[in-house]
Amino acid sequence: AQSVTQLDSQVPVFEEAPVELRCNYSSSVSVYLFWYVQYPNQGLQLLLKYLSGSTLVKGINGFEAEFNKSQTSFHLRKPSVHISDTAEYFCAVSDGGGGADGLTFGKGTHLIIQP
Amino acid sequence: GAVVSQHPSRVICKSGTSVKIECRSLDFQATTMFWYRQFPKKSLMLMATSNEGSKATYEQGVEKDKFLINHASLTLSTLTVTSAHPEDSSFYICSARFLAGANTGELFFGEGSRLTVL
Repeated sequence: AQSVTQLDSQVPVFEEAPVELRCNYSSSVSVYLFWYVQYPNQGLQLLLKYLSGSTLVKGINGFEAEFNKSQTSFHLRKPSVHISDTAEYFCAVSDGGGGADGLTFGKGTHLIIQP
Repeated sequence: GAVVSQHPSRVICKSGTSVKIECRSLDFQATTMFWYRQFPKKSLMLMATSNEGSKATYEQGVEKDKFLINHASLTLSTLTVTSAHPEDSSFYICSARFLAGANTGELFFGEGSRLTVL
């Protein structure tokens, strides 16, 4: 079984400041990792994903994440946030089993950008 | 990226009526679609998994007779909330996985449908 922990339910940050949203996972097998963003009253949009290769993954809107196998983490970072980054961010994991299971999601982190 | 379209985006209905929500994959064939429910300020709760041409697999605690799921083609899955009650009011989101993404688990999401039952 796999699980995802997003320790911070809410992260307030001032505009143009850097931000890190934490994500830790547990899995007994190799994993694929994802970050999704959800704007109010919308579905989820893929920010970035780690499938293999370089552990530093760059995504859309200036976000990046680093896969750290030893710490079982996949933290999301952005060097300078904008008001438009205010949204809910979900970390998700798949064990790549190819079965019928959907992704396992964390509980989400609400990023609040303060002017 | 792949596009998944969900319709309607908002629906208001009277208690006791049924509501159908459609989920379409516009530019790829989705072998598997997932239906999620999201409560305010909460994460996504997987309701069921539907595979084209077969019966949906429901998660524990989800009433299959209340939430009817049909995946009649590789591009369309529907969720019908039967005899809706106010407690069924929620944000419903579908997602689709296409064949090439089957091993990684990557999902593409619809825009979501907000159901309000009066």
